[in-house]
Amino acid sequence: DAKTTQPPSMDCAEGRAANLPCNHSTISGNEYVYWYRQIHSQGPQYIIHGLKNNETNEMASLIITEDRKSSTLILPHATLRDTAVYYCIVRVGADKLIFGTGTRLQVFP
Amino acid sequence: ETGVTQTPRHLVMGMTNKKSLKCEQHLGHNAMYWYKQSAKKPLELMFVYSLEERVENNSVPSRFSPECPNSSHLFLHLHTLQPEDSALYLCASSLGAGVVETQYFGPGTRLLVL
Repeated sequence: DAKTTQPPSMDCAEGRAANLPCNHSTISGNEYVYWYRQIHSQGPQYIIHGLKNNETNEMASLIITEDRKSSTLILPHATLRDTAVYYCIVRVGADKLIFGTGTRLQVFP
Repeated sequence: ETGVTQTPRHLVMGMTNKKSLKCEQHLGHNAMYWYKQSAKKPLELMFVYSLEERVENNSVPSRFSPECPNSSHLFLHLHTLQPEDSALYLCASSLGAGVVETQYFGPGTRLLVL
């Protein structure tokens, strides 16, 4: 089973920040939080990952709470092309990426 | 483009056919993966290869047979499939099979079994 909980869907206006929450209350100390997204009928795309500290790259920012029980993926200026299913994943072993059902983000004009 | 290609992109086959899916990565990675994504279901990990050795087989039926001839290529041989095997089959690769390795996915092969 996936070890994360995400809302099934969210809407965001184009140009606004999209904040996607994820709960991972049972995360252990050495587990990383990964975010992927999947645009319709395409393969998942890596976005960002982190352990304890907040992370930022050209795609997004990842904010992890101090107790590491939840995190938020931030797309600072959402575009229509950001419409996708976003998966928050906690690594449970050396190889496994266990995908849950994710959050379907709809960006509207 | 992620550097992982899959062919064919679409495949229709009968239950008695034999076909193969091909994956190729141009990233110099050492680990490759097959995933299955059925309609409205999460991705399911099928097989993991690390340095051309199969390191994981997630209780996949024997009608799916993977092959990894080298670190750049991965095949999924299909025979006597069932209609419920219709799905998007995704290949991924990573530098290694370690805990923090990021996986890069191909575009997938959409398979329809009639």
